[in-house]
Amino acid sequence: EAGVAQSPRYKIIEKRQSVAFWCNPISGHATLYWYQQILGQGPKLLIQFQNNGVVDDSQLPKDRFSAERLKGVDSTLKIQPAKLEDSAVYLCASSLDNGFQTQYFGPGTRLLVL
Amino acid sequence: GESVGLHLPTLSVQEGDNSIINCAYSNSASDYFIWYKQESGKGPQFIIDIRSNMDKRQGQRVTVLLNKTVKHLSLQIAATQPGDSAVYFCAESKTGRRALTFGSGTRLQVQP
Repeated sequence: EAGVAQSPRYKIIEKRQSVAFWCNPISGHATLYWYQQILGQGPKLLIQFQNNGVVDDSQLPKDRFSAERLKGVDSTLKIQPAKLEDSAVYLCASSLDNGFQTQYFGPGTRLLVL
Repeated sequence: GESVGLHLPTLSVQEGDNSIINCAYSNSASDYFIWYKQESGKGPQFIIDIRSNMDKRQGQRVTVLLNKTVKHLSLQIAATQPGDSAVYFCAESKTGRRALTFGSGTRLQVQP
């Protein structure tokens, strides 16, 4: 079974530029999450989707971050404009929606904002 | 938050010894707990999970213990191997809110 796929793996941009990340969850997983992991810390939830609907985006900085999950499969996370403090690893995870909560993570996208 | 910045607590053990990694959680309403292993440059990898109606669960070389009275979780790794070297995170969740709240992590270093 293929795991969670993410691209790109690395991205370097200058502050005030825009960037987008892509995630393809495990086939059949209805729930998709985006986490931000700052160096030396645990992942922090940004947004959670159930199929193509948003379940929780309370910690998403909506003035600059946006995410969508069209057709309930792939998802994109965008930052516009980026700030220095957005430098982090952006992790995508997915889980089945049958009561089990085990989340499986992708390799992440490492973002450096200069 | 539970940030410890760049200075993660570190546990150093000899190859072949048993390792115990501890975690304190804050939400007494949490009913699902999970341990992840994260190697450098990779995403967190599922190790083992436990629900609040249990106090112990065993996997292959790993055991998770849950003490709800003191809100404490531990991960025991038997016969630690060099490949176990990584950062280990505990995470908690509450039924109805599937998103996980992660702890700050512990770095495990296995000395050959």
